[in-house]
Amino acid sequence: LAKTTQPISMDSYEGQEVNITCSHNNIATNDYITWYQQFPSQGPRFIIQGYKTKVKNEVASLFIPADRKSSTLSLPRVSLSDTAVYYCLVGDQAGNNRKLIWGLGTSLAVNP
Amino acid sequence: GAVVSQHPSWVICKSGTSVKIECRSLDFQATTMFWYRQFPKQSLMLMATSNEGSKATYEQGVEKDKFLINHASLTLSTLTVTSAHPEDSSFYICSAQEETQYFGPGTRLLVL
Repeated sequence: LAKTTQPISMDSYEGQEVNITCSHNNIATNDYITWYQQFPSQGPRFIIQGYKTKVKNEVASLFIPADRKSSTLSLPRVSLSDTAVYYCLVGDQAGNNRKLIWGLGTSLAVNP
Repeated sequence: GAVVSQHPSWVICKSGTSVKIECRSLDFQATTMFWYRQFPKQSLMLMATSNEGSKATYEQGVEKDKFLINHASLTLSTLTVTSAHPEDSSFYICSAQEETQYFGPGTRLLVL
């Protein structure tokens, strides 16, 4: 299972764009990249998933370079409510081995 | 996105008693569900993979006789913490697999 590396913490201000980069050098061919958000005492919430290039939805964008050894979650115009821990995971979502190994995540603090 | 529920959301019990936690996928069928444990300020730790109609697969170091998992239907998996002790106090989270993993809100267990 591919290991991921993310910054432990980040600080931002309301209205700014936040980019969180995740390194996954050992990503396998069948692995997808998935990002989750977690608030204290709540289960993780799915944000976005991608395989390559760029993926965009109503809350975030995910940029994946051609070598797929890293990915960047982009949160446009963050607000105080975006203060949370963000996890990057890689795993084979379509195959038999769907286990996700969780790292420490990135604790994002959005300041007024 | 898909919805996963957990019940109860929190439970307090005496040492030595057993506690059952239910995990339900509300709007989809899940052949595979996962159980995690999370201690304060730490990441999620996978405990076991639950497959409908078969025995659960436990991660190394997780006692299968202490953490009983039953996945009797495509929408319900249960985790029973048997003979609970204070060190079992934690936040237990389940997830259900669709295209990706969707997580329940978590169950806070406090063993006195």
